[in-house]
Amino acid sequence: DAGVIQSPRHEVTEMGQEVTLRCKPISGHNSLFWYRQTMMRGLELLIYFNNNVPIDDSGMPEDRFSAKMPNASFSTLKIQPSEPRDSAVYFCASSLAGGAGTQYFGPGTRLTVL
Amino acid sequence: QQQVKQSPQSLIVQKGGISIINCAYENTAFDYFPWYQQFPGKGPALLIAIRPDVSEKKEGRFTISFNKSAKQFSLHIMDSQPGDSATYFCAASRDNFNKFYFGSGTKLNVKP
Repeated sequence: DAGVIQSPRHEVTEMGQEVTLRCKPISGHNSLFWYRQTMMRGLELLIYFNNNVPIDDSGMPEDRFSAKMPNASFSTLKIQPSEPRDSAVYFCASSLAGGAGTQYFGPGTRLTVL
Repeated sequence: QQQVKQSPQSLIVQKGGISIINCAYENTAFDYFPWYQQFPGKGPALLIAIRPDVSEKKEGRFTISFNKSAKQFSLHIMDSQPGDSATYFCAASRDNFNKFYFGSGTKLNVKP
């Protein structure tokens, strides 16, 4: 299996621009998670989906952030408008709900907002 | 409120030594406790995990010790190697609930 796939791997944008991060979970997994990692705040869960339905979005920092999962093999995390404080590494992870619970992480997208 | 507290924040160990990282939790409903290893520029990867029905689990040089009454668990890395230098995260979750509560991470540096 190819594992969790994220794109782009690096994104540099200017403040105020829209940013879209993409994730393809492992085939057969029915839970998907978006995390943000920074030196100051560590690994933060932003939102997670079960069977394409958002279950818990309490970690989404504000209305500028939105996430969708239109089907079992694709999810997006959008930031509009972006701000410098959004600079971080964003990880997507997937797992099989009801199983061992192991989450498999993608390689991450390093976002820099200038 | 931080659900899982991890210490130390950083750790320096000589090659061949034992690395010990500790985590504590409050929610007694947690019943799955994984440890993740993260190398620079990579995503976290599952290293080893334990459920509270056992007090210890060993995989190679890595051992999880679990103390249910104290609500603590720890990772021991025996014969630490420079290749073990990474950031380690503990986590906790409830069975069939996929939400993980991660600790703040420990940056391990194993000196040759």
